[in-house]
Amino acid sequence: QVQLVQSGAEVRKPGASVKVSCKASGYTFTSNYMHWVRQAPGQGLEWMGMINPSGSSTTYAQKLQGRVTMTSDTSTDTVYMELSSLSSEDTAVYYCARALDGQGGYFDYWGQGTLVTVSS
Amino acid sequence: SYELTQPPSVSVSPGQTARITCSGDELPKQYAYWYQQKPGQAPMLVIYKDTERPSGIPDRFSGSSSGTTVTLTISGVQAEDEADYFCQSADSIHTHVVFGGGTKVTVL
Repeated sequence: QVQLVQSGAEVRKPGASVKVSCKASGYTFTSNYMHWVRQAPGQGLEWMGMINPSGSSTTYAQKLQGRVTMTSDTSTDTVYMELSSLSSEDTAVYYCARALDGQGGYFDYWGQGTLVTVSS
Repeated sequence: SYELTQPPSVSVSPGQTARITCSGDELPKQYAYWYQQKPGQAPMLVIYKDTERPSGIPDRFSGSSSGTTVTLTISGVQAEDEADYFCQSADSIHTHVVFGGGTKVTVL
């Protein structure tokens, strides 16, 4: 069965960076785009961007351009999301999600979420 | 930037029908999708491509589309349907994903 397993919770100071991993299993890793979505406490879902695991092409949300980097490792079927220059506004649960129907498609499987807390 | 607009909240009595709308200029050209999210859980897909229901989703969940508005309908609402619901679609060139702000459904 399809599973997306994310790395554990992180605490960072303002200005630091964080890297979250998402290991896929149960399907052909390179067949689907992988997206990252975050959710601040008590808020809605915010799309961050996506990566094509086969060729590593990426598309990022304009708001996060220059601060977010998504990468993939086909040897371990894992995608990574790194966010730099963190501020308190980046405190959120970060989800990876497998996409169907191409780049701007929809999400049938989600990771369990990774809480990133930014605090001095 | 492109936006999808949802009402913040909908309240409904058990057994009644809940309707949640989502409006956006690109919805006539791009599919809409709906997710249910309960506290502490990841979102779960309940409707895809405007009207299709994934396997395992009860048939009381349905979707419809008319012009720039899509609607998620929950017929015969049950207590377990109390959750946040988010619509999702894509921009005009199908490369950027966008979510609505979410609607909290309260079962009275």
